Amino acid sequence: QQPVQSPQAVILREGEDAVINCSSSKALYSVHWYRQKHGEAPVFLMILLKGGEQKGHEKISASFNEKKQQSSLYLTASQLSYSGTYFCGTQETSGSRLTFGEGTQLTVNP
Amino acid sequence: ETGVTQTPRHLVMGMTNKKSLKCEQHLGHNAMYWYKQSAKKPLELMFVYNFKEQTENNSVPSRFSPECPNSSHLFLHLHTLQPEDSALYLCASSQRTSGGSYEQYFGPGTRLTVT
Repeated sequence: QQPVQSPQAVILREGEDAVINCSSSKALYSVHWYRQKHGEAPVFLMILLKGGEQKGHEKISASFNEKKQQSSLYLTASQLSYSGTYFCGTQETSGSRLTFGEGTQLTVNP
Repeated sequence: ETGVTQTPRHLVMGMTNKKSLKCEQHLGHNAMYWYKQSAKKPLELMFVYNFKEQTENNSVPSRFSPECPNSSHLFLHLHTLQPEDSALYLCASSQRTSGGSYEQYFGPGTRLTVT
């Protein structure tokens, strides 16, 4: 079951914050977050396992609400380098395949 | 980031051609993946290999034939493709697939155009 990401696109000014959501109708084991810049490979950001764990990566952090089957990616004080498409990938059980959302296109302008 | 390499980076082929995509990972991983990325669509898993054994075939047409001779190399053999097969084909690797959740490292992809 493909997760649903929102919003589909967001435009920010440098220094602004953003939140990207990833929701599933199925119970989840884990949520992965990746960022892909135009013409480049997706790059791993972080994994969240069930248990409501919150993780951080520089000024990018994420949470996983197990009850709601939703993960949110928080981008704080955005930088130009944050521009790209952010994908969540969800895993329903340990060792099962990752199913990716359609992506959220983030543009950070000066 | 050169942990996962793919060749060629671009490929144009006719519908009657036979070609192969190559992927190599230098990360010591045991799992490798092929994904298809089409415009305006999510990443679509095609095949998964874990310790050289195919563990997933996501209902991929037989005109796509994967080969994994060892844990470091993965091929995708293509024959009699259709124009709708034009897409970016991404290879990825991870530590393994079983017993947990492992981050995947992607290659730069092969941009395939079928004419």
